[in-house]
Amino acid sequence: AQKITQTQPGMFVQEKEAVTLDCTYDTSDPSYGLFWYKQPSSGEMIFLIYQGSYDQQNATEGRYSLNFQKARKSANLVISASQLGDSAMYFCAMSRAGGTSYGKLTFGQGTILTVHP
Amino acid sequence: DSGVTQTPKHLITATGQRVTLRCSPRSGDLSVYWYQQSLDQGLQFLIQYYNGEERAKGNILERFSAQQFPDLHSELNLSSLELGDSALYFCASSGGGSTEAFFGQGTRLTVV
Repeated sequence: AQKITQTQPGMFVQEKEAVTLDCTYDTSDPSYGLFWYKQPSSGEMIFLIYQGSYDQQNATEGRYSLNFQKARKSANLVISASQLGDSAMYFCAMSRAGGTSYGKLTFGQGTILTVHP
Repeated sequence: DSGVTQTPKHLITATGQRVTLRCSPRSGDLSVYWYQQSLDQGLQFLIQYYNGEERAKGNILERFSAQQFPDLHSELNLSSLELGDSALYFCASSGGGSTEAFFGQGTRLTVV
């Protein structure tokens, strides 16, 4: 079984500053994927970034980077230069790796990020 | 725009009724996944279809069923609805060797 834990129910950050959203996971699968999704108040789920368990380098996508520490089973999301539009709920998720397994996701409880001007 | 289309966007119905939620995946995606998001349970995986066949099952109630048609669109059928079934239902699709699943806008179901 897989489990995702997000221990920060809410986070606040000043505009233009960086923020780290925490995520720890547990799984018995030898190969897996880690994901972050953003859910604005409008409700849609937006894919942000993916990290494979065997990837040597941390994933980056524009202002988003994933700080992957396999030994600690953590996959924290770092958002640099925060913008007002980053205010949303953020979900960490994981899946087994391979084929059609990637969309079968286990989600954490989410972190609400508020960006102050 | 993720390319995944869900209809309707909102649905209000009474307890005991049956509803059908529809999902059109991104062009070329063979896998469709259904999720339920509620305040008490969070985001939960319900069921996956791949090219018309059921591939994986999660925490889906027996009152719920799904299918995927030859044109790859999918429907989630919810019957004998209860107040606790009120939630946001998402469809997602993936395929073509991509690792990420793309979500539709969701259908907000309210059972009164």
